[in-house]
Amino acid sequence: QVQLQESGPGLVKPSQTLSLTCTVSGGSISSGDYYWSWIRQPPGKGLEWIGYIYYSGSTYYNPSLKSRVTISVDTSKNQFSLKLSSVTAADTAVYYCARAMIAINLFDYWGQGTLVTVSS
Amino acid sequence: QSALTQPASVSGSPGQSITISCTGTSSDVGGYNYVSWYQQHPGKAPKLMIYEVSNRPSGVSNRFSGSKSGNTASLTISGLQAEDEADYYCSSYTSSSAVVFGGGTKLTVL
Repeated sequence: QVQLQESGPGLVKPSQTLSLTCTVSGGSISSGDYYWSWIRQPPGKGLEWIGYIYYSGSTYYNPSLKSRVTISVDTSKNQFSLKLSSVTAADTAVYYCARAMIAINLFDYWGQGTLVTVSS
Repeated sequence: QSALTQPASVSGSPGQSITISCTGTSSDVGGYNYVSWYQQHPGKAPKLMIYEVSNRPSGVSNRFSGSKSGNTASLTISGLQAEDEADYYCSSYTSSSAVVFGGGTKLTVL
């Protein structure tokens, strides 16, 4: 059973960089069948896709966030990470990591989510 | 990219059927059969309910079904049960090799 777990600071100051890591267990991040994704959900609002990464390092980002987002992968640790720069209060959200099956747009395994608040 | 359009809320009584629509464009919903639906209970992560427009993952009740016509996809829940009360989100692959979600629909079981 694949499990994903987000980790990182729950509080980030405005203008700083938000950094989160997702640790994958029960399966290899190097499997060629999946993208590894970040999705967020502001309090009381809907889901927003941030981007995903293939184990080789290829990335795809939400155009609206692309200038501020970097997703990276560490296959040796079975982890992938999110960096979001120049954050504002609008970036306050629950951040989820998820596994996406290539080419058919489905997110089949999700982490429990972690709330990141942007505040001074 | 703009979010897919869903009704903010729908409601139904136990045993009834409801349908949630998800409207996009020819660059997403209308252009690909890669529409998926997710159920989210309060404080929980979303759960995959439908993928590739109408396929159900193992373990999902056959009361859940999906369809698509043109730029609009739909999720139908038949035989409504109290535990179906949740938020539902549609999602589509896009021509930009990206993913877009709908704004979400709150289902109330009366």
